[in-house]
Amino acid sequence: GAGVSQSPSNKVTEKGKDVELRCDPISGHTALYWYRQSLGQGLEFLIYFQGNSAPDKSGLPSDRFSAERTGGSVSTLTIQRTQQEDSAVYLCASSLPVGYGDSPLHFGNGTRLTVT
Amino acid sequence: KQEVTQIPAALSVPEGENLVLNCSFTDSAIYNLQWFRQDPGKGLTSLLLIQSSQREQTSGRLNASLDKSSGRSTLYIAASQPGDSATYLCAVYSGGGADGLTFGKGTHLIIQP
Repeated sequence: GAGVSQSPSNKVTEKGKDVELRCDPISGHTALYWYRQSLGQGLEFLIYFQGNSAPDKSGLPSDRFSAERTGGSVSTLTIQRTQQEDSAVYLCASSLPVGYGDSPLHFGNGTRLTVT
Repeated sequence: KQEVTQIPAALSVPEGENLVLNCSFTDSAIYNLQWFRQDPGKGLTSLLLIQSSQREQTSGRLNASLDKSSGRSTLYIAASQPGDSATYLCAVYSGGGADGLTFGKGTHLIIQP
């Protein structure tokens, strides 16, 4: 596609339920990032995939969060046993396969997660 | 730990004015700096990326400057238009992998018609 696609755009879930958020990066972008944006806060790094290398999971806030990337393309972020503090906008970004930071990031429109 | 600050947090100006948004960072050892725009309910759109060896980048009515030694960047918007209303974020990359990209909290800009 022309840009980074994320689905769903909005998700309301009950506390304790599991949710899956999907990101489809720009074709040819082997680098993929997940960020979280909470109201009034800056972007919080969650996880980074680069090609076939092991993902950088250093930003995941707890073991309830996990992500995978199948076939080097689509990525799924899973949050198990959701808590109210997980409510935020989850943003996915991708970039060209150059050294991290050397290429502009292209963001999707995000998934707004609300945990009730 | 790198910290990025954007001042002001919010700005409202009449259409047609030239304006400057500020970004400062605490650690001058950066590889590059990016300016993004975020519209309500949308993701971030990359506007300009300045490498550490560069002093400025221009795109249309936008000009971004970088003074690495003083830890500052400015985004200059010429002849502002209502369509420029958005939140503008800067981010610096300090190396060390994916968590080396640090974002500011943004400046919420409103251009009054």
